[in-house]
Amino acid sequence: AQSVTQLGSHVSVSEGALVLLRCNYSSSVPPYLFWYVQYPNQGLQLLLKYTTGATLVKGINGFEAEFKKSETSFHLTKPSAHMSDAAEYFCAVSRGSGGYQKVTFGTGTKLQVIP
Amino acid sequence: EAGVAQSPRYKIIEKRQSVAFWCNPISGHATLYWYQQILGQGPKLLIQFQNNGVVDDSQLPKDRFSAERLKGVDSTLKIQPAKLEDSAVYLCAIEILETYEQYFGPGTRLTVT
Repeated sequence: AQSVTQLGSHVSVSEGALVLLRCNYSSSVPPYLFWYVQYPNQGLQLLLKYTTGATLVKGINGFEAEFKKSETSFHLTKPSAHMSDAAEYFCAVSRGSGGYQKVTFGTGTKLQVIP
Repeated sequence: EAGVAQSPRYKIIEKRQSVAFWCNPISGHATLYWYQQILGQGPKLLIQFQNNGVVDDSQLPKDRFSAERLKGVDSTLKIQPAKLEDSAVYLCAIEILETYEQYFGPGTRLTVT
């Protein structure tokens, strides 16, 4: 079984401030980890992913995330928030099961950027 | 390039009516997903196809929901009859082989009154 917990359904930051969105996961096997962003009335778009290798991964729009196995975390950060970052962010975990990938999404964190 | 078209974008029906959604990936991908996203929640997997076959439909309410994938490309999701609690956005996604990345369509927003 696997699960994803996103702490904080709503996060507000000032423009130019650090963005930190938290994600913790549980998985019985080493998972693949993803962050997706969803803008209003749109589908989800991949921000970044961790599969193997370097634990600090960089994605689009200046976002990055660090896989910490000991903490079972995959928090998303961005040094300086921009107004265009206002959206909903979803963490997801994927693991192989019976020859295919089983994916579970978190409940999402809505990011508000205050001018 | 991976792209996923969905139609219709919006649909309003009354409870007990039937509705169908279409998913048309631009290029062929083995794995296709249907998700239900209720307002304020994350996507919940309804059904996962590998080519034409179903690999996971454990969360699909099979008494009212059905889905099929024709020739390993396009897919349809049907609800018959609809309930008020089916109001949600229905997302279709494909998985890029060996990258495990999913590409999502824009979704169909269903309102059941």
